[in-house]
Amino acid sequence: AQTVTQSQPEMSVQEAETVTLSCTYDTSESDYYLFWYKQPPSRQMILVIRQEAYKQQNATENRFSVNFQKAAKSFSLKISDSQLGDAAMYFCAYRSARSEKLVFGKGTKLTVNP
Amino acid sequence: DTGVSQDPRHKITKRGQNVTFRCDPISEHNRLYWYRQTLGQGPEFLTYFQNEAQLEKSRLLSDRFSAERPKGSFSTLEIQRTEQGDSAMYLCASSLAWGPDEQFFGPGTRLTVL
Repeated sequence: AQTVTQSQPEMSVQEAETVTLSCTYDTSESDYYLFWYKQPPSRQMILVIRQEAYKQQNATENRFSVNFQKAAKSFSLKISDSQLGDAAMYFCAYRSARSEKLVFGKGTKLTVNP
Repeated sequence: DTGVSQDPRHKITKRGQNVTFRCDPISEHNRLYWYRQTLGQGPEFLTYFQNEAQLEKSRLLSDRFSAERPKGSFSTLEIQRTEQGDSAMYLCASSLAWGPDEQFFGPGTRLTVL
């Protein structure tokens, strides 16, 4: 079974600084997708960024970028120029190309200090 | 497009009672998912519908749980003979197509079983 591990339960960053959230996953499959979702306090989960495993180029969405290391099964999220609105729980998620099921990690709580 | 909606947002019930939750997906989305999220954990997959067909179910979905999507639009999740361990946030999500397409999440229904 696939598993997703987020080793940092909590992280903090100063406003305007850069922070990296870690994620590793375990799978025997070669075709899959990886996601980072953000869950603000008492608000619904929204997609931050996604990566197809067959793509070598790391995905980027404005201030958010990933470092995808397929051989190491690592998928970290970098947030540049952190803003107060970035404060949230961040979940890393995996989905096999053969399934619709998202497998989530336990999450990292990000605090942004002014 | 009003997004994924869920009703009720909060439900408090006594152990042994039955509860039913409703999810309305984004109107053109043919895929609908149910997840369960307990405190301090990431969401766990429960089940998935493509149109009205229930195509994937987790082992977490015990005999006391049943989900339907009778006309391929809204879905209901029923829990019979609730137990205290059923206390959690129940999340619904929907998506339009296969592959890396985003699953859009609703605000969730928080269930408390006394």
